[in-house]
Amino acid sequence: SYVLTQPPSVSVAPGKTARITCGGNNIGSKSVHWYQQKPGQAPVLVIYYDSDRPSGIPERFSGSNSGNTATLTISRVEAGDEADYYCQVWDSSSDHPLFGGGTKLTVL
Amino acid sequence: EVQLVESGGGLVQPGGSLRLSCAASGFTFSSYWMSWVRQAPGKGLEWVANIKQDGSEKYYVDSVKGRFTISRDNAKNSLYLQMNSLRAEDTAVYYCARKVVVITTNWFDPWGQGTLVTVSS
Repeated sequence: SYVLTQPPSVSVAPGKTARITCGGNNIGSKSVHWYQQKPGQAPVLVIYYDSDRPSGIPERFSGSNSGNTATLTISRVEAGDEADYYCQVWDSSSDHPLFGGGTKLTVL
Repeated sequence: EVQLVESGGGLVQPGGSLRLSCAASGFTFSSYWMSWVRQAPGKGLEWVANIKQDGSEKYYVDSVKGRFTISRDNAKNSLYLQMNSLRAEDTAVYYCARKVVVITTNWFDPWGQGTLVTVSS
């Protein structure tokens, strides 16, 4: 079955750029979606279709997807961006949605 | 405002049953696939079940097949998850989510606030 691999943690200083990766076999051929989950809260969609932003999501959030890696990029990181981030694809082999293991973003 | 509000969680003994509900508002409920996604304590997200707009198609993760049943009542704008033969490993926060379906993919937006199910003796 298809597997999505995310680093368990990423740390970044305020004002810098954070990059959170999501690895999968030829993931560039799939559409990747990203969710932000702050402690004690429900997940929120921050990127869909690899790089589109829902209304209300700051332009600082962007996404890309190519080859075996999809990337969520957060520019000018703020303390309020500290959260867990999950990637998600549609796994055509199982015909089910699939989430990555999640990455905890720490703002130093 | 699009809103999903779950209810029905609680403490249940292994082998017991529980029925979760999700009340939807702010959108045409009958036009969307709906889903349940769960998150065990300190763990990641796991999709549980999907249901088509008219209830004619239902899909489940293998670990809950035969034990959980997803259903909906479009007249009441409500989604349900009947959980039977509960196990300790079913302990999780259960989220109701609207599933956005496009030809080759789908995603979840928005999500409810979640309801905690604890299976323990």
